[in-house]
Amino acid sequence: GENVGLHLPTLSVQEGDNSIINCAYSNSASDYFIWYKQESGKGPQFIIDIRSNMDKRQGQRVTVLLNKTVKHLSLQIAATQPGDSAVYFCAERGTTDSWGKLQFGAGTQVVVTP
Amino acid sequence: GAVVSQHPSWVICKSGTSVKIECRSLDFQATTMFWYRQFPKQSLMLMATSNEGSKATYEQGVEKDKFLINHASLTLSTLTVTSAHPEDSSFYICSLLAGAGTDTQYFGPGTRLTVL
Repeated sequence: GENVGLHLPTLSVQEGDNSIINCAYSNSASDYFIWYKQESGKGPQFIIDIRSNMDKRQGQRVTVLLNKTVKHLSLQIAATQPGDSAVYFCAERGTTDSWGKLQFGAGTQVVVTP
Repeated sequence: GAVVSQHPSWVICKSGTSVKIECRSLDFQATTMFWYRQFPKQSLMLMATSNEGSKATYEQGVEKDKFLINHASLTLSTLTVTSAHPEDSSFYICSLLAGAGTDTQYFGPGTRLTVL
């Protein structure tokens, strides 16, 4: 099946800097994308989502960008804090998939250094 | 966000025994719940979609007779790992949609299963 993948397995960021986490997807039929944050030993926590009819969406300290031309999704975290250290997953839902079924990417470990 | 609970949070069992994991929606009714499995340092893999009042839909490669899913009410879905073996040791996570017509999927805290 088609998968969602990430370019970088580990991202080291200095506290206060901005983080950019990238995600490539291959299913051109995907219409909905989500970013999740997962801390060690916990379930994924919803961060932000975006539909395929948008190219940018902003939340609190986070921005998701969607480039459908190159099938690329990114999550930007402004002023990264120690509490942002976690694994970040992108997930996609294809229009041909069962309602609500998500495909997850491999994940990126973000390490915030002082 | 929606509040989702799982019980137990962790369990250790002997090989050959069965283990039941509960997933509860605490603040709304969920007609559809999802069960995922996550091995260490890996991503989440969808195991099955649990529908209230009907049979679960299993993903390819997931044995329905080994991973029994029951969604008897709108707030409770259970996953039973039957005749568990060490290779079933994993982090099991449930999720649900926030409501009819919504897309956001919220996850439970997960259950760590260790089979000796």
